[in-house]
Amino acid sequence: DQQVKQNSPSLSVQEGRISILNCDYTNSMFDYFLWYKKYPAEGPTFLISISSIKDKNEDGRFTVFLNKSAKHLSLHIVPSQPGDSAVYFCAASAAAGANSKLTFGKGITLSVRP
Amino acid sequence: GAGVSQSPRYKVAKRGQDVALRCDPISGHVSLFWYQQALGQGPEFLTYFQNEAQLDKSGLPSDRFFAERPEGSVSTLKIQRTQQEDSAVYLCASSLTRGTNQPQHFGDGTRLSIL
Repeated sequence: DQQVKQNSPSLSVQEGRISILNCDYTNSMFDYFLWYKKYPAEGPTFLISISSIKDKNEDGRFTVFLNKSAKHLSLHIVPSQPGDSAVYFCAASAAAGANSKLTFGKGITLSVRP
Repeated sequence: GAGVSQSPRYKVAKRGQDVALRCDPISGHVSLFWYQQALGQGPEFLTYFQNEAQLDKSGLPSDRFFAERPEGSVSTLKIQRTQQEDSAVYLCASSLTRGTNQPQHFGDGTRLSIL
């Protein structure tokens, strides 16, 4: 069963507008959440993270929101740029686990139209 | 280089052959992870090292998969008697410590194709 779900496989937005990428999780032990960006033939690149003690973390154009009661997080990109076109993975880990292994969603393909 | 380095980038092998995939983590990173990524899926955890100790190998799909990190730096993932279902991208990641709130940094992966 998928513990991290990215239910929308793709998203297309106009350059300059906001991109909102959603992620849901089922494991209540998860307490650290990350977003990775992936270009073809490259490995995932760390983008931004959030600890469960916060509900928002911002880094430049990227903001991640966490709603623990709904087990939902989202990544906002404002303004979107053509170079943001990539696959975005949501990932989660549990501090209480033996290691901080990441559980990933299936990814969302973001296309930013010029 | 400053990032995680993996080699080879591409590997083609015939079914039944053994393969070895190498990972050079970021210098000084204590934790090292291997993931397997099938087409259209997110990466899935295989195994974890803290320095030279393999603390979790629960994600290894069969006893044909073996990983080591003998000196706590470079790691090798070995797959014996490869099968077609082993075809995937194998990703290595490292992080500074075992502690929480440490992002993992990934290499570009090895794309393995079994014919």
